[in-house]
Amino acid sequence: EAAVTQSPRNKVAVTGGKVTLSCNQTNNHNNMYWYRQDTGHGLRLIHYSYGAGSTEKGDIPDGYKASRPSQENFSLILELATPSQTSVYFCASGDNPYEQYFGPGTRLTVL
Amino acid sequence: AQKVTQTQTSISVMEKTTVTMDCVYETQDSSYFLFWYKQTASGEIVFLIRQDSYKKENATVGHYSLNFQKPKSSIGLIITATQIEDSAVYFCAMRGSALGRLHFGAGTQLIVIP
Repeated sequence: EAAVTQSPRNKVAVTGGKVTLSCNQTNNHNNMYWYRQDTGHGLRLIHYSYGAGSTEKGDIPDGYKASRPSQENFSLILELATPSQTSVYFCASGDNPYEQYFGPGTRLTVL
Repeated sequence: AQKVTQTQTSISVMEKTTVTMDCVYETQDSSYFLFWYKQTASGEIVFLIRQDSYKKENATVGHYSLNFQKPKSSIGLIITATQIEDSAVYFCAMRGSALGRLHFGAGTQLIVIP
C-alpha cells in the first residue's frame, strides 16, 4: 500500500557510469521531489517537478538531471557518477502547501 | 533566503517523560508552513505534524504538540509520555511562499532510555 516507492533500494556504481534512480507515487500528487541525505546536512533538494513534463532545479542540481514522464513517475539521472554522489536519495510527493510523503530511500555507492 | 536551524544534535530522555526539541527558522515570507518529520532507524521518513504561520493555536497530533513562537521564529516539537519507539531523528522543515520547496534542518537525534 506504500504510496511512494523507489527503485533500486541499493545501488553500487562505478565512477563515470550512468545511474538512474526511479520513483513512483500513487498519491496523485502533482509535485514530486528528489533529495539527498548526508550526515550533518539533513535533506537537500536536488530537483523537483510540478507535473508531467516539468522539472525544476533545486538547491544542489549540479551533476544531476531529472525526468518526469508521467504523473506517477519521476527519475533522477546521474550521467557521469562521481564518488561525491555517494549518498542516500529520497523521493517525495506532495501538493502545496501541505506535507510531503517520502519513499523508502535509495542507498547509492559510487566507487 | 530561508533557513532552518536545529542546534540540538542529540537528546537523551527517560521513557515516559516529556521532551522538547528546538527549531528556529528564517524567512522573508509573510505566510509559511512549518513541519516536523521523524526518521526511524530503518531510514523511513514520516510526517508528524504541521503548523501554519497564520494560525495562533499550537498544533497537536496524538502525543506530539508544537510550541509556536512566531516573534522568536521558533517552532519546538514537544513529545509527551515518550516511548522507546520514539527514538529516532527528528527533522524540522519549512515551506514559504515558493511553491512546494521544503527547507530542512540538520535533525535532532532522540534517544529514549527505558
